[in-house]
Amino acid sequence: DTAVSQTPKYLVTQMGNDKSIKCEQNLGHDTMYWYKQDSKKFLKIMFSYNNKELIINETVPNRFSPKSPDKAHLNLHINSLELGDSAVYFCASSYQETQYFGPGTRLLVL
Amino acid sequence: DQQVKQNSPSLSVQEGRISILNCDYTNSMFDYFLWYKKYPAEGPTFLISISSIKDKNEDGRFTVFLNKSAKHLSLHIVPSQPGDSAVYFCAASGAGGTSYGKLTFGQGTILTVHP
Repeated sequence: DTAVSQTPKYLVTQMGNDKSIKCEQNLGHDTMYWYKQDSKKFLKIMFSYNNKELIINETVPNRFSPKSPDKAHLNLHINSLELGDSAVYFCASSYQETQYFGPGTRLLVL
Repeated sequence: DQQVKQNSPSLSVQEGRISILNCDYTNSMFDYFLWYKKYPAEGPTFLISISSIKDKNEDGRFTVFLNKSAKHLSLHIVPSQPGDSAVYFCAASGAGGTSYGKLTFGQGTILTVHP
């Protein structure tokens, strides 16, 4: 009965590679988000989608491209990975103003 | 520019006593506030929220107080239990316009409840 799920949970890769993180929610929510938690533990929003339409894009390098095939999925594709991309990435979905988070994907770029 | 601040990085409390976690914000456009709890290697879990039209919201052992004039909110946990030990994040939303749905988080407070 997982509400918001992400795969993979851990991702270790080399600089310059391209990788994707998948997110799915079974809560029936219309809005989904990607957040990044950096080494200082701050959680910062990257993107949000409402019914497959991009509504928030927070000064994120264009190497990051979200894709929403349907309102239950919001995937994050990252091109040409850099060392500074190492972080924990959280997906979330929302009902009204409350957001519900996935377990996170721990990305380590070597 | 940190619009939501949790100035106490950590808090240690005895089991059964009250835990008070504090949060300050600077953006007067925020109109909805949330507290999340996070265990290691898990995602943040929604705990309790409050709209700016209220000054208090209670749910079981958890109560959130909002002081709009001071731009301050606090989370009270009473009685505290060892299972409450986690990182607590304060978050705010509603700064209008295209910011709808965007949560701005504080940096978190590590709560440790000792048996």
